[in-house]
Amino acid sequence: DIQMTQSPSTLSASVGDRVTITCRASQSISSWLAWYQQKPGKAPNLLIYRASNLESGVPSRFSGSGSGTDFALTISSLQPDDFATYYCQQYNTDATFGQGTKLEIK
Amino acid sequence: ELQLVESGGGLVPPGGSLRLSCAASGFTFNNYWMHWVRQAPGKGLVWVSRIESDGSTTFHADSVKGRFTISRDNARNTVYLQMNSLRAEDTALYYCVRGTMNGASYFDYWGQGTLVTVSS
Repeated sequence: DIQMTQSPSTLSASVGDRVTITCRASQSISSWLAWYQQKPGKAPNLLIYRASNLESGVPSRFSGSGSGTDFALTISSLQPDDFATYYCQQYNTDATFGQGTKLEIK
Repeated sequence: ELQLVESGGGLVPPGGSLRLSCAASGFTFNNYWMHWVRQAPGKGLVWVSRIESDGSTTFHADSVKGRFTISRDNARNTVYLQMNSLRAEDTALYYCVRGTMNGASYFDYWGQGTLVTVSS
C-alpha cells in the first residue's frame, strides 16, 4: 500500500501570508495526486488534481507542484476563508489520503 | 445540479448490519466509477470501496474486506454499501464520492455524508 505523509500537521499563519503544505508518498506516484480543503461540518472540496491542475472555480492563489514522491500545496496570500484542514490524496493505486494539515489563524 | 445524497446511517450494535444508499443526480451516472470514503469523528479521510461504472468490478480496503460490499443500480442511479459484522472502529461519517470514468481517480463531487455509529 502507498502511504502518504503530510507536514506539518498544524500550521499557524496570518491573513496575507504565503504558506506551503508538503505531502510525501512512500513510492513514486508520478503526478497522480490531488489536494482537498475541508471545513468543519462540511465535505471535502477538490482544489488540485494531477498535482498541479486547478479545479474549476478554485481561486488562483492555490497552486500545486511536484511529481514522483514529493508534492506541495501553496497558498500565495492567505484569505480568511482559507483557514481549514487540507488533505492530499494519491490515486496512482486506488486511493490513500494524507493525515491532514490544519491551517489555523495565528 | 450534480447531487449525491446519502442515507441509511444510524446507530447499530457491534456485529450488526447496515446498508447505506447514495442517490445520484445531475450527471450520467452509469459513466462513472463510484466510491465510499469514511471519516471517523475528529480523524482524517479513509477510502473504503469502489465500483466500476458497469458494476462488474469492485474493490475494498483491507480493513473492510469480507465485511462490506459495494454495489450499484444504474437504472436507479444509486450506489450502495452493505456493511456486515460492524465494529466500533467502523464508526464514521460515510461519504459517497464520484470518481472518474475509468481507473483510480481523484474525487470531484462528494455527498454530505451519513453517520454510522457502532455501539452497544
